[in-house]
Amino acid sequence: DAKTTQPPSMDCAEGRAANLPCNHSTISGNEYVYWYRQIHSQGPQYIIHGLKNNETNEMASLIITEDRKSSTLILPHATLRDTAVYYCIVRDTDTGTASKLTFGTGTRLQVTL
Amino acid sequence: DSGVTQTPKHLITATGQRVTLRCSPRSGDLSVYWYQQSLDQGLQFLIQYYNGEERAKGNILERFSAQQFPDLHSELNLSSLELGDSALYFCASSVHAQETQYFGPGTRLLVL
Repeated sequence: DAKTTQPPSMDCAEGRAANLPCNHSTISGNEYVYWYRQIHSQGPQYIIHGLKNNETNEMASLIITEDRKSSTLILPHATLRDTAVYYCIVRDTDTGTASKLTFGTGTRLQVTL
Repeated sequence: DSGVTQTPKHLITATGQRVTLRCSPRSGDLSVYWYQQSLDQGLQFLIQYYNGEERAKGNILERFSAQQFPDLHSELNLSSLELGDSALYFCASSVHAQETQYFGPGTRLLVL
């Protein structure tokens, strides 16, 4: 069962920040939040992950609430190439059998001119 | 480019046939994962190998099998193919089992 809840779709104007929310209210202490995206039928692309603290890399920022029950992926300046399905995944990395990724239905982000 | 390669890109075959999908992980990665993406099931984990040994199994059918070779490349064998096996098959790799997974471009399988 997917441990996350995401809105099915969102729109964003090109050049604006895209803020994609994810609810993971049952997350446990040793579970990370991972974000991937899939552009059309290409292989899922890793974006970012975090445990407790906010994280930033060249692609995006990840904001995790203090109680860790939700997070937001931020694409600071969305472009048309960011149109994709974004998956928020909670992953327990402590045990080998739990190292798989469980994908939900994700959020389909449409970036428009 | 993730560094994970998969061949072939496309495969068209008939029901009852057998096919082999190949995956080469990123240099240095010891763990390989296989996922299936069909229209009605979404992305689903099939199986994981780590340094040549099976590590975890997901929703993999008995008609499907996989292995990881000493050079760390992996093959997914699909036999007695059915129409419902038509899907995208992705391979991912990571340095170790608990590390970030990087996905290949996938193999699109069409069973007619």
